[in-house]
Amino acid sequence: DGGITQSPKYLFRKEGQNVTLSCEQNLNHDAMYWYRQDPGQGLRLIYYSQIVNDFQKGDIAEGYSVSREKKESFPLTVTSAQKNPTAFYLCASKDGNYGYTFGSGTRLTVV
Amino acid sequence: DQQVKQNSPSLSVQEGRISILNCDYTNSMFDYFLWYKKYPAEGPTFLISISSIKDKNEDGRFTVFLNKSAKHLSLHIVPSQPGDSAVYFCAASRNDYKLSFGAGTTVTVRA
Repeated sequence: DGGITQSPKYLFRKEGQNVTLSCEQNLNHDAMYWYRQDPGQGLRLIYYSQIVNDFQKGDIAEGYSVSREKKESFPLTVTSAQKNPTAFYLCASKDGNYGYTFGSGTRLTVV
Repeated sequence: DQQVKQNSPSLSVQEGRISILNCDYTNSMFDYFLWYKKYPAEGPTFLISISSIKDKNEDGRFTVFLNKSAKHLSLHIVPSQPGDSAVYFCAASRNDYKLSFGAGTTVTVRA
């Protein structure tokens, strides 16, 4: 079955640590996205990539970094510079039309 | 600056009745609108969409209406079923660029 796999489902981070969230898709989609969801707020775009080896900042990119070395993979690193990283993180991919497909998410908690 | 707004954070409806979810947007350049359904700890799943050249799109129990002059769209669910209880996000896109999401409306269908 084609889809998007995010791992881990739950992640705990200590203050000052960097952590990397994995996102893998086997849909052969060119574009991939990272969103963040906070309670009472909509999904906010962190980073997106429309093609391999290229990515752009979204609306809330500060404290995050990404890479897109392979079409299938778009990992997100939450760095220690991100002051409020506790949130639910969603990865999505899109084909040439408007067909966005989302992963099941990673819940990150700072302890 | 939030360009997509869902002003009702919650909606409670009796099973079998109609659910009406509303969404307003500010960017007149948006040309495609989507509704997503989301269960807790899962990624959003696509529900229904509408192009800006249309004013109505119907898919089974779900109908989306678009009023471009008012920059307003709505989702009607008829009849509402217990499995419809979820968070519903309105999203908008410009030139297939990136999605801007509303804050979501939590729908509870009462038996």
